[in-house]
Amino acid sequence: GDSVTQMEGPVTLSEEAFLTINCTYTATGYPSLFWYVQYPGEGLQLLLKATKADDKGSNKGFEATYRKETTSFHLEKGSVQVSDSAVYFCALRYTGGFKTIFGAGTRLFVKA
Amino acid sequence: DGGITQSPKYLFRKEGQNVTLSCEQNLNHDAMYWYRQDPGQGLRLIYYSQIVNDFQKGDIAEGYSVSREKKESFPLTVTSAQKNPTAFYLCATQKEGGRFTDTQYFGPGTRLTVL
Repeated sequence: GDSVTQMEGPVTLSEEAFLTINCTYTATGYPSLFWYVQYPGEGLQLLLKATKADDKGSNKGFEATYRKETTSFHLEKGSVQVSDSAVYFCALRYTGGFKTIFGAGTRLFVKA
Repeated sequence: DGGITQSPKYLFRKEGQNVTLSCEQNLNHDAMYWYRQDPGQGLRLIYYSQIVNDFQKGDIAEGYSVSREKKESFPLTVTSAQKNPTAFYLCATQKEGGRFTDTQYFGPGTRLTVL
C-alpha cells in the first residue's frame, strides 16, 4: 500500500547549519506531497506542498522538490534557526484525496 | 477569527469511562477528520466526514464513535472499548474532502490521559 518514509531523528544542528530531512514515498498514481511542522504541544501547520512532479514548494526559507523518478520530497533549509526546532512530517494524498498518509515525523533540535 | 477549536486541551479520565472530545470550525470547510498521535509516531486516521450526516471509519476506528450533525462540529467519543486511549488527538478540516491538492488544517489538539 501507499506509505511515507522519513529519516529517523532526532536531528541536532547548530544555528545557521544546512538542513536536509529525507522523505521518500510509495504510491500508486501521482499524489500531492506535503510537509507539515508541529511545535511542542500544538497541532500541525502546513509548511509547504507540491502537487505534481518537478514542482518546488517553498515557505519561510524551507524548500522541497517533488521528484517522481526517485519518489522523494526531501526538505531543505539553507540556514536553520533555534525557532525551527520542531517535529516535521512528510505526507502524501492521492487522487480521490480523502485520506492523508503521514510519515512518522522527524524531530529537529537547533542549538544556539 | 477563523479557525479550528478543540476542547479541552487536557483531559483526564478513569478507565471504563466514555469521554467526548470537541472539535468546532468556522472555516466553512466540508470535510473534517480525527487523528490520533502517539509519541514518536505519525498520525493515524480514526474517522472522517466529507459532509454533514455522513462519516466513514479510518484505519483505527475501533473503540471510537463520531457524529456530524452540523457542518461546524465533529465530536469524537472515546469509549471504554478503546483499550489504549492515552494519546494526543488532532482534529483537521479540508475545504473539499475529495480534492487531493487541498491543504488540511489542524486544530491545537487534545491530550487525553487515562488514569
